[in-house]
Amino acid sequence: KQEVTQIPAALSVPEGENLVLNCSFTDSAIYNLQWFRQDPGKGLTSLLLIQSSQREQTSGRLNASLDKSSGRSTLYIAASQPGDSATYLCAVSGGLGNEKLTFGTGTRLTIIP
Amino acid sequence: GAVVSQHPSRVICKSGTSVKIECRSLDFQATTMFWYRQFPKQSLMLMATSNEGSKATYEQGVEKDKFLINHASLTLSTLTVTSAHPEDSSFYICSARTGGLSYEQYFGPGTRLTVT
Repeated sequence: KQEVTQIPAALSVPEGENLVLNCSFTDSAIYNLQWFRQDPGKGLTSLLLIQSSQREQTSGRLNASLDKSSGRSTLYIAASQPGDSATYLCAVSGGLGNEKLTFGTGTRLTIIP
Repeated sequence: GAVVSQHPSRVICKSGTSVKIECRSLDFQATTMFWYRQFPKQSLMLMATSNEGSKATYEQGVEKDKFLINHASLTLSTLTVTSAHPEDSSFYICSARTGGLSYEQYFGPGTRLTVT
């Protein structure tokens, strides 16, 4: 059974700093990994999707890396802003025949102005 | 593109009644839709996977007779919580998968269900 863990559970950093969120998964046989953002009481916003054959994906100030063999992914946020405050979730998919996403426990990020 | 809507966004119902939640893919056809439940300060837990025109596949521990899922078209899936009880109060989120090999899921805004 796939298990996804995110460390830390909560993180507070001053505005402007760069930061890294971590995600680990127990079964390396994944098809892809997605990072999401969730604001309180809201749905999920997809940030980045990394296919299992890829090493990283970038979108603006966000960079996600994937080390499939070690079961790890990181989300790097550059020059953090107060608007980045949210809960960040990673999720892995098993692909064809096992499309369901297994979600991590989430990291609640607070950017201090 | 790839927008998913849910209706209603919030619903309050009395214990013992049933409530229906709709999930629509607005600008794409979704052969597969997923229903998740999220309790406060917890992550999302998959309840079931539904494919258009066929019966939903439920995750272990999810009562299929209580959580009725219908995926009648390529753009609409519904979740009906039957005989709701206070412990069913939760945030319900659907997602839809586009075609192709990326297997990326797009999520709806969620429905907050409160059972009194």
